[in-house]
Amino acid sequence: GEEVAQTPKHLVRGEGQKAKLYCAPIKGHSYVFWYQQVLKNEFKFLISFQNENVFDETGMPKERFSAKCLPNSPCSLEIQATKLEDSAVYFCATATGPNTEAFFGQGTRLTVV
Amino acid sequence: QQQVKQSPQSLIVQKGGISIINCAYENTAFDYFPWYQQFPGKGPALLIAIRPDVSEKKEGRFTISFNKSAKQFSLHIMDSQPGDSATYFCAASRNSGYALNFGKGTSLLVTP
Repeated sequence: GEEVAQTPKHLVRGEGQKAKLYCAPIKGHSYVFWYQQVLKNEFKFLISFQNENVFDETGMPKERFSAKCLPNSPCSLEIQATKLEDSAVYFCATATGPNTEAFFGQGTRLTVV
Repeated sequence: QQQVKQSPQSLIVQKGGISIINCAYENTAFDYFPWYQQFPGKGPALLIAIRPDVSEKKEGRFTISFNKSAKQFSLHIMDSQPGDSATYFCAASRNSGYALNFGKGTSLLVTP
């Protein structure tokens, strides 16, 4: 498709529950980035992939966050044992190559209660 | 540690005026500097981007000015319109596919 498709749009989880977010890249885009946008608008980089390989995971809180990009499947970001502080909008962005335009999805709003 | 510093935090401009948003960075390895526009409830959308080999880039009413020696770049919106009211983010990244480092955003309101 011609847009980055993120599902679901909204997700509500009780503290301690698991949350799983999905991102379908634009066809032909081999780079996938996940960002977390918290209430004060700040974007925090989480992880990036080049095809199905992790490219940079320096932003991932590894004890509870994991991500995958498998062939012929949407990419996913999973949060085990969610905490209140995980409440944010999670954006996926995809690009055709290094330093080319990154196209963002509409985001998934995660609310942990 | 905020790698890209953006100012002002908010800006009010009259219709037809010029909106100016400034950003500064420290990492000299950055070589790609995009500006994104974000409306409430939407994902950021690329407005315009520049690389350090040019000092200015213009696309329609949007211009980026880039000062490599000062490690600063700015977005100018000419003839600002109420439809430009949004949050604007500057960003910077290193080459070879590294992630964007975003500024904290500027909330722009253009009054009729």
